[in-house]
Amino acid sequence: DAGVIQSPRHEVTEMGQEVTLRCKPISGHNSLFWYRQTMMRGLELLIYFNNNVPIDDSGMPEDRFSAKMPNASFSTLKIQPSEPRDSAVYFCASALEANSPLHFGNGTRLTVT
Amino acid sequence: GEDVEQSLFLSVREGDSSVINCTYTDSSSTYLYWYKQEPGAGLQLLTYIFSNMDMKQDQRLTVLLNKKDKHLSLRIADTQTGDSAIYFCAEDAGNNRKLIWGLGTSLGVNP
Repeated sequence: DAGVIQSPRHEVTEMGQEVTLRCKPISGHNSLFWYRQTMMRGLELLIYFNNNVPIDDSGMPEDRFSAKMPNASFSTLKIQPSEPRDSAVYFCASALEANSPLHFGNGTRLTVT
Repeated sequence: GEDVEQSLFLSVREGDSSVINCTYTDSSSTYLYWYKQEPGAGLQLLTYIFSNMDMKQDQRLTVLLNKKDKHLSLRIADTQTGDSAIYFCAEDAGNNRKLIWGLGTSLGVNP
């Protein structure tokens, strides 16, 4: 298996623009997680899905952030409008089921200028 | 609230053993995990231990769990330069799947 695939690897955008991050989980995994990593706050769970249904989105910073999982093999995290403080590395991870270990993608490094 | 703490840096000489320590606060944790992050990459699961175990060994890795003191450690025997990375401790604080993460320990290995 190719593992969790995220795109793009790097994204540089201007403040106010819409940003869409993409994730393809490992085939057969039922749970998908979006994390944000910064030096100051470490790893933060933004949202997670189980069987394509959002279970906990309490980590989503504000209404500018939204996530979807239209099917078992694809998820998006959208930021609209983006702000400089959104600059971070965003990771997607999947797991076989809710209580299984997480498998991470290589992340998307987002820079908002 | 729930918290996981790790020291931020550790430096060892190649061939020595490395011991990375972690303390946590939630006594109801089911699993405790160690993940490794190399530069520019995602986190890779190294090993995990079930909360009713005291020790787990996997080749050069030894995990020790002291539930009374809520202390977890990862020992890497015969540390190599390829072990240089950031090591994260995480606890599974229950059925809501919110892993509680430490800030990571950056391990530097000197030749």
